[in-house]
Amino acid sequence: EIVLTQSPGTLSLSPGERATLSCRASQSVSSSYLAWHQQKPGQAPRLLIYGASSRATGIPDRFSGSGSGTDFTLTISRLEPEDFAVYYCQHYGTSRFTFGGGTKVEIK
Amino acid sequence: EVQLVESGGGLVQPGGSLRLSCAVSGFTFSDYEMNWVRQAPGKGLEWVSYISSSGSTIYYADSVKGRFTISRDNAKNSLYLQMNSLRAEDTAVYYCGRGGYCTGSICYSFNAFDIWGQGTMVTASS
Repeated sequence: EIVLTQSPGTLSLSPGERATLSCRASQSVSSSYLAWHQQKPGQAPRLLIYGASSRATGIPDRFSGSGSGTDFTLTISRLEPEDFAVYYCQHYGTSRFTFGGGTKVEIK
Repeated sequence: EVQLVESGGGLVQPGGSLRLSCAVSGFTFSDYEMNWVRQAPGKGLEWVSYISSSGSTIYYADSVKGRFTISRDNAKNSLYLQMNSLRAEDTAVYYCGRGGYCTGSICYSFNAFDIWGQGTMVTASS
C-alpha cells in the first residue's frame, strides 16, 4: 500500500497569492495515478486533478498539477476567496486506494 | 445531472448494524465501478470499499474487512454498504464515490473518484 504524505499541514496565504502544495509517495506511483481533491467545510470532496496533471471537467486553469515518481505538486496560481479549503491527494490505479492527510489552505 | 445521494446513516450502539444506500442518477450506473469512503470527525479521507461494475470483484480496507459488505443493484441504480459489529472508531461521514468505467470492450479500472455524494453520518456510540 502506498502511503501519501502531504505538506505543509496548513498554508496561510492571502487572496491573489500563489499556493504550492506537496504530496510525497512512499514508493513510485506508476503511470502518474495521482489525483487531487478539494473539500470545503460541510461539503463532499471535489475532483480537481487526475493523472497528476490533467484538470477535471469545469476546473479553472489557475489549478495545475505536476510531478512524477514519488513527488507531486498542486499549484494554485492566484488564490480566489473560494479556494480556501482542504486539499487531499489520492493514489489510485490499484485495488488499494489511499489518501494523503490533507493540506488546509487558510486565509492569512 | 449526475448525482449520488447517500442515506441510511444514524446513531447505533457499538456492536450494532446499519445499512447505507447510495442512489445514483444521471449516468449509466452499470458501466461504473463504485466505492465507499469515510471521514471521521475532523479527520482526513479513508477509502473503505470498492465494487466492480458487475459486482463480481470486491475489495475492502483492512479496518473493515469481515464486518462490512458492499453490494450493488444495477437494476435499481443503487449501491449499498452493510455495516455489522460497528465500533466507536467507525463513526464518520460515509461518502459514495464513482470510479472507473467500461466503454464498449475497454475498461478503465480503479480510476480517481470523479463524482462524490454529499455523505451520510454514522455514529457508533452508547
